[in-house]
Amino acid sequence: SYVLTQVSSVSVAPGQTAKITCGGDNIGNKRVHWYKQKPGQAPVLVIYDDTGRPSGIPERLSGLNFENTATLTISRVEAGDEADYYCQVWDTTSDNRGVFGGGTKLTVL
Amino acid sequence: DVRLVESGGGLVKPGGSLRLSCVASGFSLSSYNMKWVRQAPGKGLEWLSFISASGKNIYSADSVKGRFTISRDNVKNSVFLQMSGLTSEDTAVYYCARGGLTGTFDIWGQGTMVTVSS
Repeated sequence: SYVLTQVSSVSVAPGQTAKITCGGDNIGNKRVHWYKQKPGQAPVLVIYDDTGRPSGIPERLSGLNFENTATLTISRVEAGDEADYYCQVWDTTSDNRGVFGGGTKLTVL
Repeated sequence: DVRLVESGGGLVKPGGSLRLSCVASGFSLSSYNMKWVRQAPGKGLEWLSFISASGKNIYSADSVKGRFTISRDNVKNSVFLQMSGLTSEDTAVYYCARGGLTGTFDIWGQGTMVTVSS
């Protein structure tokens, strides 16, 4: 089955840039989506189809997907960006299934 | 306002059953695929099940195949997850989510907690 790999944690100072990666076999051939989840809350879609931003998501958040790595970039990091971030694809190679990465905890120092 | 509200969670004994419901408002459920996702305490997100807009196509994760059944009632704007053979490993917050065209989970409910314990 398809596997997405994320580093468990990333730390960044306010105002700096955070990069959260998601690794997968030829993930560049898939559409990657990203979710933000704060403690005790439901996840929220923040990036869809590699680079799209849903309404209300700031331009500081951007996505890229190439070859074996997808990346969520958060520019000018703010305290409110501290959360868990999950990448996700819909895998149709062997069966139709949703696949989530293990999640990355973003800590704002 | 687009919204999903889950209900039906609670405490259940090992081997027991539970039926979760998810009611949609602010959009026509019949136009969307729907999914269930869970999150065990302190853990990540796990996709469980998918049902197409018409209800004709259903897919489930191996971890719940044969034990959990997804269904929908578009007239009642509701999606359901029938769970049986529950074990402690099924203890989690269960979310329903609306499916986007490219496999996204674009709207999420607030979740309902299921605890499996004797």
